[in-house]
Amino acid sequence: SQKIEQNSEALNIQEGKTATLTCNYTNYSPAYLQWYRQDPGRGPVFLLLIRENEKEKRKERLKVTFDTTLKQSLFHITASQPADSATYLCALDISWYSGGGADGLTFGKGTHLIIQP
Amino acid sequence: EAGVTQFPSHSVIEKGQTVTLRCDPISGHDNLYWYRRVMGKEIKFLLHFVKESKQDESGMPNNRFLAERTGGTYSTLKVQPAELEDSGVYFCASSLSLLWTPYQETQYFGPGTRLLVL
Repeated sequence: SQKIEQNSEALNIQEGKTATLTCNYTNYSPAYLQWYRQDPGRGPVFLLLIRENEKEKRKERLKVTFDTTLKQSLFHITASQPADSATYLCALDISWYSGGGADGLTFGKGTHLIIQP
Repeated sequence: EAGVTQFPSHSVIEKGQTVTLRCDPISGHDNLYWYRRVMGKEIKFLLHFVKESKQDESGMPNNRFLAERTGGTYSTLKVQPAELEDSGVYFCASSLSLLWTPYQETQYFGPGTRLLVL
């Protein structure tokens, strides 16, 4: 089964710097990969989706890259702000390849990002 | 537009009791998912409904868990009898139809139900 590893449990970054989070997966490359943000006491909130044929996707201060050779995705937050502090989750959906056998998302444990003023 | 709602927000029960969790998806979303996060672990998929039909329940831990989605609207997840290891946060998510698309639509998550079994 697919396993996801996110680089670290916690990451401290100074305000204004770029935060870079890593997501590695172990088996076959998924059709796409998603990033979610989760705040304490809340459910995950979708941020970005990147497909296997896309190298990079951007949304405002967020940027995601996807390298199927390395089996890795990088998630960047530029000009980071204290309000960006949260847990960021990487998730894969393998339903397209599994023929519907696993329709849900497979999540990593998440990286707790702390932006210090 | 209302998001995904879950009830109750918290539940504390004793081992052996029954608990029923409810999820109301976003109106018009055919797909409904249940997930669970046990402390210290990642969020894990439990099952997936398409309308009222169970598409995949391979993530359900055992037969003490029963999920239903009568009429294809809200869903319930019943745990009977509850065990200590069932403690965790249960999330529900919904998304639009998967028909005619090779890529899954974005999933919208509810706030979760925090279950503690003593």
